[in-house]
Amino acid sequence: EDQVTQSPEALRLQEGESSSLNCSYTVSGLRGLFWYRQDPGKGPEFLFTLYSAGEEKEKERLKATLTKKESFLHITAPKPEDSATYLCAVQSLHGGSYIPTFGRGTSLIVHP
Amino acid sequence: DTEVTQTPKHLVMGMTNKKSLKCEQHMGHRAMYWYKQKAKKPPELMFVYSYEKLSINESVPSRFSPECPNSSLLNLHLHALQPEDSALYLCASSQGLVGLGGELFFGEGSRLTVL
Repeated sequence: EDQVTQSPEALRLQEGESSSLNCSYTVSGLRGLFWYRQDPGKGPEFLFTLYSAGEEKEKERLKATLTKKESFLHITAPKPEDSATYLCAVQSLHGGSYIPTFGRGTSLIVHP
Repeated sequence: DTEVTQTPKHLVMGMTNKKSLKCEQHMGHRAMYWYKQKAKKPPELMFVYSYEKLSINESVPSRFSPECPNSSLLNLHLHALQPEDSALYLCASSQGLVGLGGELFFGEGSRLTVL
């Protein structure tokens, strides 16, 4: 069974304190790993797609990397506005179709 | 701003009411999804439509009835709900066919409270 595990469950950082979020996965043939950001009471916002080990994507203070077993979301010099829940998802075979399977997310709080 | 629009943003209904949630996208996407999300939990897949046909139903109770009138619109009809159905209901769309998958674009959600 395909699984996605995110850690830590919650993370508190001071503004400017860089850190990384982890997403480990087990899937039969990776067809895409996605990172989303979700603000409270809102829908998830797509950030990145990674397809193969060694791939990296960047957007402002965020950088996503991928290995054969896990993905990291690196946050460099975070600001309070980076506070959100970050969700990882992998494409999972589901009744003949590939549907994203989500992890439980990491809740990030950045203090000024 | 999200290109997937959901209405209403908030809905309060009694257990005997009939109401509908609506979703619209104008990105030309051919797959549309309904997810249910409880507090501090990940989105939970309910239904997937591909080319206006229901492709996936995650054994959702019949008190939830999806409808896809055309490629841009997705409805979720609600009837005889239970208090435990209170949640954030998210609509999403993706560019490709179900089977190719791809990144999802979510609406802002409809917050449902069942009294």
